Amino acid sequence: QVTLRESGPALVKPTQTLTLTCTFSGFSLGTGGMCVNWIRQPPGKALEWLARIDWDDDKYYSTSLKTRLTISRDTSKNQVVLTMTNMDPVDTATYYCARMKSSGWYVDCWGQGTLVTVSS
Amino acid sequence: DIQMTQSPSSLSASVGDRVTITCRASQSVSTYLNWYQQKPGTAPKLLIYAASSLQSGVPSRFSGSGSGTDFTLTISSLQPEDFATYYCQQSYSIPYSFGQGTKLEIK
Repeated sequence: QVTLRESGPALVKPTQTLTLTCTFSGFSLGTGGMCVNWIRQPPGKALEWLARIDWDDDKYYSTSLKTRLTISRDTSKNQVVLTMTNMDPVDTATYYCARMKSSGWYVDCWGQGTLVTVSS
Repeated sequence: DIQMTQSPSSLSASVGDRVTITCRASQSVSTYLNWYQQKPGTAPKLLIYAASSLQSGVPSRFSGSGSGTDFTLTISSLQPEDFATYYCQQSYSIPYSFGQGTKLEIK
């Protein structure tokens, strides 16, 4: 059974750096074709893709956010970490991690999401 | 970047109705088009991948079609549990992009 769980602070101040961790089970990011994405959703708004890291450690980012994002992995711990610098109130959202496989390039498993509020 | 546009943004329908949601891409995405269902307070759930393939466990009343830039999600006979928000997503090229969502409400 594949599961993913996001963890991190619920509240950050403007200009701070956000660090989120995705801890997963039921698959290995070291296995060919496996990928983990970060996707966010502001309250009442649409989904927005942020970043992806692959089994071979390739990394991809949102065009508009790439200067602020870093995605990394710890394969031995089954974790993926997303950092976002210079947080702003408009970054308030539920942040999801989600698995994708290169065999189809669709998200087949999502974490439950974690709400991050940016406020002073 | 590829832009995804869904229509309508909201839709009122009754149990038993046939419903169609449209998704248009700003450039061809071949059949790299996925549909997700999201209920309040929960993560999205995959319904359709590769434009027309039904995800395992998803009821057969859901179907998808299209290729290139124009796609549709059809629910053949609405059930009470289908009232939710639906999103299309292209996975043809990075950055991936989602439509703005279609909220399906009970009439």
